[in-house]
Amino acid sequence: AQSVAQPEDQVNVAEGNPLTVKCTYSVSGNPYLFWYVQYPNRGLQFLLKYITGDNLVKGSYGFEAEFNKSQTSFHLKKPSALVSDSALYFCAVRDPRGYQKVTFGTGTKLQVIP
Amino acid sequence: GAVVSQHPSWVICKSGTSVKIECRSLDFQATTMFWYRQFPKQSLMLMATSNEGSKATYEQGVEKDKFLINHASLTLSTLTVTSAHPEDSSFYICSARRAGGNNEQFFGPGTRLTVL
Repeated sequence: AQSVAQPEDQVNVAEGNPLTVKCTYSVSGNPYLFWYVQYPNRGLQFLLKYITGDNLVKGSYGFEAEFNKSQTSFHLKKPSALVSDSALYFCAVRDPRGYQKVTFGTGTKLQVIP
Repeated sequence: GAVVSQHPSWVICKSGTSVKIECRSLDFQATTMFWYRQFPKQSLMLMATSNEGSKATYEQGVEKDKFLINHASLTLSTLTVTSAHPEDSSFYICSARRAGGNNEQFFGPGTRLTVL
């Protein structure tokens, strides 16, 4: 069974500092990995995905994530945080073989402090 | 492109009534749509996967007779919460996968259901 872990319920970072939101996964075979952001009372917005190729994936709003197969991680990063980045972030994984189900992590609340 | 809408955005209903939530892909055809439920401060829980023209596949523990899903066209899926009870109050989110796409799911804005 596939699973995703986001070990931090909340991450606080000062505006202008780099941010990292952690994600590790478990899946048989090569994973499809995703990051989404959710603002209060809104649906999810896609940030970026890893399917294959370059381990460093660049996405929307200046975010990027690095796929690390040996550590089974896909941490989300941004060099300089903005207050407007404050939101709930979800990591997700999908086994590309067979069934289409995407499994989401429990979410990490990012708080950027002015 | 790739916009998914949901209607209504919020609904309040009395216990025992049924509520229908629509999910539409506005500018693409979606062969597969997904329905999720999200409790406060929790992750998304997949309820069911629906493919156009066929019966939905429900996740374990989700009552298919209570949460009726219809995916009658490539741009519309509906979720009907039948005989709603207060414990059904939640945030319901749909997503759609584009036909011939690259596995990306596009999410709707969600529907807040409150059952009194």
